[in-house]
Amino acid sequence: DTGVSQDPRHKITKRGQNVTFRCDPISEHNRLYWYRQTLGQGPEFLTYFQNEAQLEKSRLLSDRFSAERPKGSFSTLEIQRTEQGDSAMYLCASSLALRGTDTQYFGPGTRLTVL
Amino acid sequence: EDQVTQSPEALRLQEGESSSLNCSYTVSGLRGLFWYRQDPGKGPEFLFTLYSAGEEKEKERLKATLTKKESFLHITAPKPEDSATYLCAGGRMDSSYKLIFGSGTRLLVRP
Repeated sequence: DTGVSQDPRHKITKRGQNVTFRCDPISEHNRLYWYRQTLGQGPEFLTYFQNEAQLEKSRLLSDRFSAERPKGSFSTLEIQRTEQGDSAMYLCASSLALRGTDTQYFGPGTRLTVL
Repeated sequence: EDQVTQSPEALRLQEGESSSLNCSYTVSGLRGLFWYRQDPGKGPEFLFTLYSAGEEKEKERLKATLTKKESFLHITAPKPEDSATYLCAGGRMDSSYKLIFGSGTRLLVRP
């Protein structure tokens, strides 16, 4: 089963440190999404790529956050100068854009704890 | 503003006791209503997509229905393994296809 994979699964860091997460989408999926989920809430959209182009960023994504998807394959999400409020589950999803359908499949997530 | 609201927040059922979860939505240009299941510490697992009012989809003990304002997830004769958080999301018909999620319903099925 080659589903969406994310690495690491858990990350504990100190406030002010930089962290980077990786997402490997389902092969041949051309769309890739990042969401953030806090306890007791549903996922919130952060950003979206179609192939290698980053087409939309949420207002939730401050300038401390940056995402890339070089060559339209895997993606990285970097958080600079982490704050305690960044503690959350970071979810990646991918989809294959077909006419009339776009089902997003999620990875297992990366749990970030900022001390 | 786009919004998805789920109720109840939490639901406890006895094994075999059927019930329904509600998802109310106001999403501009809705292209689809999505249901996901999420187990603790894991990513959401896709269940259904509904595209138009009146549409129904079934999978084992689950059946999802859609009206112009709401969606329901009916659980028939649930088992303890159905215990999870069920998330509803609206997909916008715009350039991003981002999903707008509700807060979920935490379902506990007791044996």
